[in-house]
Amino acid sequence: KQEVTQIPAALSVPEGENLVLNCSFTDSAIYNLQWFRQDPGKGLTSLLLIQSSQREQTSGRLNASLDKSSGRSTLYIAASQPGDSATYLCAVLYSSASKIIFGSGTRLSIRP
Amino acid sequence: SAVISQKPSRDICQRGTSLTIQCQVDSQVTMMFWYRQQPGQSLTLIATANQGSEATYESGFVIDKFPISRPNLTFSTLTVSNMSPEDSSIYLCSASSGGSSSYNEQFFGPGTRLTVL
Repeated sequence: KQEVTQIPAALSVPEGENLVLNCSFTDSAIYNLQWFRQDPGKGLTSLLLIQSSQREQTSGRLNASLDKSSGRSTLYIAASQPGDSATYLCAVLYSSASKIIFGSGTRLSIRP
Repeated sequence: SAVISQKPSRDICQRGTSLTIQCQVDSQVTMMFWYRQQPGQSLTLIATANQGSEATYESGFVIDKFPISRPNLTFSTLTVSNMSPEDSSIYLCSASSGGSSSYNEQFFGPGTRLTVL
C-alpha cells in the first residue's frame, strides 16, 4: 500500500532554532514530492516541489531534500520565526498513481 | 503558479439541504481536484474534475452525493447534496497545469469551511 508518513505529529521549538521535519514514503517509484504549509482553517500553500530526478530544492530559509532509495524527504527550516507556526504537509505523487498522497502533517509551533 | 479562489469561504447549512462550491483558477489548467479535510485530519481526495466529461470519483465518494461540474479549463463546482452533520469539513479545490500535468506542482484554493447543523 502506498503511504506517506510524517513524524512527529507535533513539534514545539523556541524561536531562532533550526529544525527538520520528516516525511517518509513506502515506494521509491515516485514522480515528485511536494511540501505544503497550512495555517489553521486555511488552504494549502505550496512551499517546495522536488521532482524525482532532483535531490533538493531551496526557497529562502527552507530547504527540502529527497532520498528515493530510503523513501525519505526532509524539510529544513533555518532560523525559525513565530510566523513559521503552521501545519506542514508532505505529499507524494507515486508513479503508479494518478493522485498525490498526503501525509498527516506535522503541527509546528515556534515559541517567541 | 496558479491563483485559485473559492466561493463561499464558509457557510452554515441545515441538514438535508445542498450547497454548491465554486472554484475559479486565474489561468487554464489541465487538472482540477476536489478534496475534503475533516477536523484535525489530513486531506482526502473526493474526485478529479474532468473538463467536458464526468468526474472521476475516489472510493467512498459517489456522484449523487458530490456532483461535480467542469465546463471549461478554469472553473469547477462541487455540490454537497442532502447534507448531514458528518459533511462538516473544509472543502478544498486544487489545480495542476502543464503538458504532463501529473508531474507538475499542485496549487490549492483557500478552502470552504462548511458547518452542517
